[in-house]
Amino acid sequence: AAGVIQSPRHLIKEKRETATLKCYPIPRHDTVYWYQQGPGQDPQFLISFYEKMQSDKGSIPDRFSAQQFSDYHSELNMSSLELGDSALYFCASSQAQGIYSYEQYFGPGTRLTVT
Amino acid sequence: AQSVTQLGSHVSVSEGALVLLRCNYSSSVPPYLFWYVQYPNQGLQLLLKYTTGATLVKGINGFEAEFKKSETSFHLTKPSAHMSDAAEYFCAVSDRAGSSNTGKLIFGQGTTLQVKP
Repeated sequence: AAGVIQSPRHLIKEKRETATLKCYPIPRHDTVYWYQQGPGQDPQFLISFYEKMQSDKGSIPDRFSAQQFSDYHSELNMSSLELGDSALYFCASSQAQGIYSYEQYFGPGTRLTVT
Repeated sequence: AQSVTQLGSHVSVSEGALVLLRCNYSSSVPPYLFWYVQYPNQGLQLLLKYTTGATLVKGINGFEAEFKKSETSFHLTKPSAHMSDAAEYFCAVSDRAGSSNTGKLIFGQGTTLQVKP
């Protein structure tokens, strides 16, 4: 079965640089979530999109922005990177309706290292 | 607002022994509850979920969990631990309050399960 695809899997950036993370949801999933997991921490919700519109916003810095495109893939853009942004970034997708609603499937994550 | 508390950041069991990972939740509305497993350097894999109906839910790899509303708990169990069960386990509650229904997950702090031979 198709899974959530994230690219790149690993990314190394320097402070003050920008980074773009991509997420391709499972086919027919209309909702995308982004989470940040710091070392030894639980995943923290950043932002979500439903049908290409932002549906919810968590503890996402103003330096970060995201969008969902017409093909439902999503991109997380991160600017002015700081050392504290080093983390594992997960994308998850789900269907908003139906018996499997809110069952989120996670991608393998993008490990961002800021030096 | 929803929250999750996992009791015990580290649990160690012997191979073949019972696994019990504890999770308590707080929610102002009937919750959707989930257990995810994370192996080192990998993503989160859904083990099982509770939404409505039967309070004892069975998941993959022999795991099950029971929703107890009176105790606001959703503990994860497995009768017999296997070495391959060693991983990080996260309990999560879905934010589905009211008409927003965005479904974002609020995770507990995680429990590392160690399985000794």
